[in-house]
Amino acid sequence: QKEVEQNSGPLSVPEGAIASLNCTYSDRVSQSFFWYRQYSGKSPELIMSIYSNGDKEDGRFTAQLNKASQYVSLLIRDSQPSDSATYLCAVVNTGSARQLTFGSGTQLTVLP
Amino acid sequence: GAGVSQSPRYKVTKRGQDVALRCDPISGHVSLYWYRQALGQGPEFLTYFNYEAQQDKSGLPNDRFSAERPEGSISTLTIQRTEQRDSAMYRCASSLATSGSYNEQFFGPGTRLTVL
Repeated sequence: QKEVEQNSGPLSVPEGAIASLNCTYSDRVSQSFFWYRQYSGKSPELIMSIYSNGDKEDGRFTAQLNKASQYVSLLIRDSQPSDSATYLCAVVNTGSARQLTFGSGTQLTVLP
Repeated sequence: GAGVSQSPRYKVTKRGQDVALRCDPISGHVSLYWYRQALGQGPEFLTYFNYEAQQDKSGLPNDRFSAERPEGSISTLTIQRTEQRDSAMYRCASSLATSGSYNEQFFGPGTRLTVL
């Protein structure tokens, strides 16, 4: 079982809809959770970080964390074609060198 | 500089040659990470520095790979006797944190290495 799992997609949503991206992780003591956006041919760009259970909102983005279920999600409201990218979930585990462990990413396409 | 920079952006080399990849982190960031990213995958950890000290090199694939950060700023990842399987995107990231669980890492543009 991979440490961080994401549906690879592709996920397609119409413009203006809510895109929901999901991620599960295997290490119960994971403490820090991040979402990166990666456009094709570009480097990962940090868009959200979340450290405690619940929701964290930043503009059109909401990260949700449920440590009991070992689940973290990213909601994108009012999706725009410019949101089309691969979204990478990343986890930092307690006791590690604080390196990020990434999922394989979910490819999102927002259709105009 | 404003962000993490890496050089060269592209490197093509012949099998058996040594290559050196450079990373210049965000000014003031004390932690520096090297990752390798295959197509369609997330980055995979290689090694990590706090200041000039290499804290973890558990992700380095074998002893042909080494890294240094002698003055606690610029870092070099060196691959000796390159093999075709070393072809990948090599990414560097830096973060401000030196302790605790808060560790937002910012990535550079990467170096695309192709070994012929």
